[in-house]
Amino acid sequence: SYVLTQPPSVSVAPGQTARITCGGNNIGTKSVHWYQQKAGQVPVLVVYDDTDRPSGIPERFSGSNSGNTATLTISRVEAGDEADYYCQVWDSSGDHPYVFGTGTKVTVL
Amino acid sequence: QVQLQESGPGLVKPSETLSLTCTVSGDSISSGGYFWSWIRQHPGKGLEWIGNIFYSGSTYYNPSLRSLVIISIDTSKNQFSLKLSSVTAADTAVYYCARSKVGRWFDPWGQGTLVTVSS
Repeated sequence: SYVLTQPPSVSVAPGQTARITCGGNNIGTKSVHWYQQKAGQVPVLVVYDDTDRPSGIPERFSGSNSGNTATLTISRVEAGDEADYYCQVWDSSGDHPYVFGTGTKVTVL
Repeated sequence: QVQLQESGPGLVKPSETLSLTCTVSGDSISSGGYFWSWIRQHPGKGLEWIGNIFYSGSTYYNPSLRSLVIISIDTSKNQFSLKLSSVTAADTAVYYCARSKVGRWFDPWGQGTLVTVSS
């Protein structure tokens, strides 16, 4: 089945930029979605279809996807952005179509 | 605004069947175009898709769980359900229900329910 690999952790100072990668074979050919999960809370969609934001999600959250890596970028990081972040794709070629990444813990220093 | 809410026992004995229901409000579960999924998260771990069902009753399961899982739908009650048989402690997790379109993202999600497998 398709595998999505994320770094376990990313640390960033307030006001700086956090970049969270999601690696997968030719992931650039798939649509990537990103979720934010704060401690004890439900995952929330923050980016869909590589680059789009649901209503209510700040413009500070942006996404890109090319080649073998998709990236979620959080600009001007705030303390409230501290959370786990998961990427997700739909792999139409496999029998396990909905695949989540391994997750990245973003720590705001 | 569509909302999902899981319900069911929080404690299940080993070897028994875990049964959960997701009640959908704010839209008809049979309005079409959406898949209704179950996703779980082991304590301190990542997200695992269990399976989903279309309003017509078509189901799709994670191959690693396929032999143990049944997802069903009751359009008259606007609910869909999960049954996971022969549970072990490894099935202890928070179970979420969520909505998606084919090949798309999950949104919204239910609040999640913790199910502990223990004697």
